[in-house]
Amino acid sequence: EVKLVESGGGSAQPGGSLRLSCAASGFTFSSHAMSWVRQAPGKGLDWLSSITPSSGNTYFADSVRGRITISRDNSKNTLYLQIDNLRAEDTAVYYCAKDLGSCSDNSCQFLGFDYWGQGTLVTVSS
Amino acid sequence: SYELTQPHSVSVSPGQTASITCSGDDLENKYASWYQQKPGQSPVLVIYQDTKRPSGIPARFSGDNFGNTATLTISGTQAMDEATYFCQAWHNSWVFGGGTQLTVL
Repeated sequence: EVKLVESGGGSAQPGGSLRLSCAASGFTFSSHAMSWVRQAPGKGLDWLSSITPSSGNTYFADSVRGRITISRDNSKNTLYLQIDNLRAEDTAVYYCAKDLGSCSDNSCQFLGFDYWGQGTLVTVSS
Repeated sequence: SYELTQPHSVSVSPGQTASITCSGDDLENKYASWYQQKPGQSPVLVIYQDTKRPSGIPARFSGDNFGNTATLTISGTQAMDEATYFCQAWHNSWVFGGGTQLTVL
C-alpha cells in the first residue's frame, strides 16, 4: 500500500522558516518524481515544486521561487520542503504527491499525481 | 504564465451527465489530469493522460481533450460525486485550474 505522510507543519512567525517532511512507503521512491502542493483555506490547489528521482532537476512555481528548497533522500524514502521568509499568505495545508509517470536518466514523463499525503497545516501568524 | 480556466460551479441532477471543462492555450497538445476533492480530504486522481482512469475509479468518469479544452464527464452522476474538481497540465511546470464545485441536486 502506497503511503505518504507529511510532518513538520505548525505555527510559525512571519519571516521564519519551516522544513516539511514527507515519508513515503509502498513504492520504489527512487523511481518517481515527487511534488509539493499547497491549499490555502477555502482556496484551490497551488503547485509549489517538483523534483526528479535523482534530484538532478527541480522545478518551482514563480510565486515561491527563491523562498523554497525542495530536496529528497532516497535512502530514507523522504521528501523535504524548506520554506524561508514565511508570510501570512503561506498559511495552507501542504501536501506531498507522487507522480505516476516514469523517469529515465533524470528525464521524467510528468503525468499527474496518483497518490497524495493527508497534508500538514502551516499557519503563519504573529 | 500559463493558465487553466474552469467554470466556478456546475450543477447536475442525480443520474444525469455532468461535464466540467478546462481551457488553456494549446491544451490539446498537453496531457490533462483531473482530481476530485471532497471537503477535508486530499485530492484523488480520477483521470490522467486526458482519458485514462486509475484503478478503482468508476467507469462513469471519463475525459477528453480537443480544441484547447479538456472535459471531464461524469455519466449517471451520483450524490457521492459531489465535490470540487481540478484540472491540471504540465507546461514546463505543473498548473492547476481554479477548480469547479460540482453540485448534485
